[in-house]
Amino acid sequence: ILNVEQSPQSLHVQEGDSTNFTCSFPSSNFYALHWYRWETAKSPEALFVMTLNGDEKKKGRISATLNTKEGYSYLYIKGSQPEDSATYLCANFGNEKLTFGTGTRLTIIP
Amino acid sequence: ETGVTQSPTHLIKTRGQQVTLRCSSQSGHNTVSWYQQALGQGPQFIFQYYREEENGRGNFPPRFSGLQFPNYSSELNVNALELDDSALYLCASSTGRYRGTLHFGPGTRLTVT
Repeated sequence: ILNVEQSPQSLHVQEGDSTNFTCSFPSSNFYALHWYRWETAKSPEALFVMTLNGDEKKKGRISATLNTKEGYSYLYIKGSQPEDSATYLCANFGNEKLTFGTGTRLTIIP
Repeated sequence: ETGVTQSPTHLIKTRGQQVTLRCSSQSGHNTVSWYQQALGQGPQFIFQYYREEENGRGNFPPRFSGLQFPNYSSELNVNALELDDSALYLCASSTGRYRGTLHFGPGTRLTVT
């Protein structure tokens, strides 16, 4: 992995269902991993910053894990609600700069 | 606590012109970074300013330049605009380098015709 990659690019989830998506980053060039939520017509909002291998962070129904050795992070949303509809961006800080993925666009179907 | 603000919200320029975008950082934040988000891409790092000094730069040509002022507000200047400069420009402030979270402004939508 040379760049930050996110998958899937988009997904639709039924309200009440749980979901997860992936961020992959170069494990050889890692200092910190950020997750942001970006709702339409709003500013990106910080969710988590993680630095240690095995880190797990939680904010309400949203949680994230980090594996720095293999270069990936998972974001989990439990019991999706319509307000969870947004683009979720991850970013890796390495080589003195923050590199973003292209995001996962999540749509919750009522 | 005042959040990050950017001005203008939208603007339209013609190719070859120059543009200045402005950002006021969140109270207490001494670091400002600028990002360009083109359609279908993630935000691309342009540069960062820490205490009025450029403190990191992405893969953008020298016609992209910036300033940070003593109150930590910042400007992004783009000379000789090209059509590909059309994008959303995001400013983010933070209290230091990238261990801390970024607080983003709402962005400036630049269209170059």
